[in-house]
Parts: sequence; structure tokens; C-alpha cells
Amino acid sequence: SQTIHQWPATLVQPVGSPLSLECTVEGTSNPNLYWYRQAAGRGLQLLFYSVGIGQISSEVPQNLSASRPQDRQFILSSKKLLLSDSGFYLCAWRGYRDGQETQYFGPGTRLLVL
Amino acid sequence: GENVEQHPSTLSVQEGDSAVIKCTYSDSASNYFPWYKQELGKGPQLIIDIRSNVGEKKDQRIAVTLNKTAKHFSLHITETQPEDSAVYFCAASPGSHYGGSQGNLIFGKGTKLSVKP
Repeated sequence: SQTIHQWPATLVQPVGSPLSLECTVEGTSNPNLYWYRQAAGRGLQLLFYSVGIGQISSEVPQNLSASRPQDRQFILSSKKLLLSDSGFYLCAWRGYRDGQETQYFGPGTRLLVL
Repeated sequence: GENVEQHPSTLSVQEGDSAVIKCTYSDSASNYFPWYKQELGKGPQLIIDIRSNVGEKKDQRIAVTLNKTAKHFSLHITETQPEDSAVYFCAASPGSHYGGSQGNLIFGKGTKLSVKP
């Protein structure tokens, strides 16, 4: 069966430090992959999506970047974190399960920038 | 592009009562409508979805209805329990693609449901 992993689960980083969040999917091939950010008590903001290795689309201009070095790996990065980068980061995959196309989320990474 | 409106933003019900959350969408090409439940500190979990060739779908205490003409869909939870307390998100997309941005989900802003014992 398909599973999605994110790590770390929680991260506290100082302003100006780099960031790397990792997402991996198991049990499926060639999924669409997504990074969302959720501010406290707010909705889901789509940051990046990828339809294949090396193919990244950005939805909003920001301090972050994404990469997809392997089919089932999606990485969210920053060279210098800002206070405003704090939030709950969710990875999601979209593909076929039981013959139907749908989208599933990972457990999330809570990032606090101080 | 697609726009999804979700109401209400907060909903409080007594245990055992029913809860209804409504969403409207703007793009008539949208044909896939999932609902997600997000508990505190966790990722959203898909709880039910419906495709445009179906008007209603039910899974135990939860059901979703779709009115394509009016472009709205609703989540119904019957016999609510305290563990139903969470934030619920609706979404819409033209789901018949595979690859490309046209299949990306557009989410509503969420409904915080509180079920009082």
C-alpha cells in the first residue's frame, strides 16, 4: 500500500539558517507531489508541485525552493529562513489508489523560526 | 481558474446532532470533490470524495452530496461524536487528468467543527 513520510516532525531554527525538509512516498510510481504551508489556524497554501523528476512549479513567490531528485522524493529548502517561514508544512501525493485518482497528505513538519 | 468557498468557518453542535458543511465552486469543468479531516497537529486525512457522475455518496455516518447545476457540494455528518471535532476542508478539481496543473486541488478555507459532549 502507499505511504508518505515527512521528516523531521518538528524543527526549531534561528532566523537566517538554512532549511531542508524531506518527503518520500512509497508504494506508487510517478506521483504528482506537492508542498503546502499552513499558518496557525489557517487554510492550505500550495507552495510547489511536481509532475516528475526535476520538474518543479512554484505557486507563490517566496523564500523557499523545492527539488525532486528522485521519483518519490520531494525536498523543500531555504538558504536563509525568515520569521514568516514559520508554519506547518505538508507534503502530499496525487496518484492512483484502487483505480481512482486522488490526493493524500503526509503527517506534516512543524517549523518554528526564532 | 477555480475558486472554492466553504461555509461556515466554525460550527458547534451537540453530540448526537447532525452537522452540515457546504462548499461552492466556480469552474464547471471541476469533476472531483474530496473532503479532508484535519485533527490538531496532524496532516489532513481524506474521509470521503465524490466524482461528478454521482449525486450522493455515503460511508457510515458521513455523506457527501453534489449539485452540479448549482455548483455546490456538502458534507453531512450524522450522530456526531466528540472525536468528529476537527477542521474539515473541501476541495475541487478537474480530476480527469494525470499530470499537469489542471488537476491540482483548490481548497476551501476550512470549517472548525466542535462537538460538545
